Amino acid sequence: ETGVTQSPTHLIKTRGQQVTLRCSSQSGHNTVSWYQQALGQGPQFIFQYYREEENGRGNFPPRFSGLQFPNYSSELNVNALELDDSALYLCASSPSLGPANTGELFFGEGSRLTVL
Amino acid sequence: AQKITQTQPGMFVQEKEAVTLDCTYDTSDQSYGLFWYKQPSSGEMIFLIYQGSYDEQNATEGRYSLNFQKARKSANLVISASQLGDSAMYFCAMREGWGGAQKLVFGQGTRLTINP
Repeated sequence: ETGVTQSPTHLIKTRGQQVTLRCSSQSGHNTVSWYQQALGQGPQFIFQYYREEENGRGNFPPRFSGLQFPNYSSELNVNALELDDSALYLCASSPSLGPANTGELFFGEGSRLTVL
Repeated sequence: AQKITQTQPGMFVQEKEAVTLDCTYDTSDQSYGLFWYKQPSSGEMIFLIYQGSYDEQNATEGRYSLNFQKARKSANLVISASQLGDSAMYFCAMREGWGGAQKLVFGQGTRLTINP
């Protein structure tokens, strides 16, 4: 069973640029979430996609956007990068909530973004 | 208002000793779930243990147990017989309710260091 994979693992951008991060969900999972983890902090929820639709969003501006594809993989796009966007971006997949599902998220290793 | 509080920024423990990592939470929901994740330096969040709000028994998974005190809104993680490989960041997280996005709210984390 293949776990959650993310790319790229590290990248450096300059302020004002745009970035796209990619995520392949775990086999059998139809829900993908994105989290931002600043240095020394816990992860913060950005948004979640279920069956190609956004179905929940955290307190992030519209320049953070995403997509989910028919194979349930996902992209996170950030426009007009700011210095504070420097963080580890974690993707997590999960199956649909149901009687046997606790809501556990399965995380990838993250994409570390540095904005200069 | 902060929903998950982890009051120990860092813990230092001798190998083979037991360690308790503290977590308190705040919610008005009757149905919720509590999780503990481990984050090594690689960045991936590794699921350790889950406790549902209606579970009457404390959850256990191998060397991990969750000391769930509902009235005190406390969900402490206990690691028995600590090992050098347990050195990592540990995050407590909560899922509220069952509808909508499967969003987890994380605490600030505790850095655990196991000394030989």
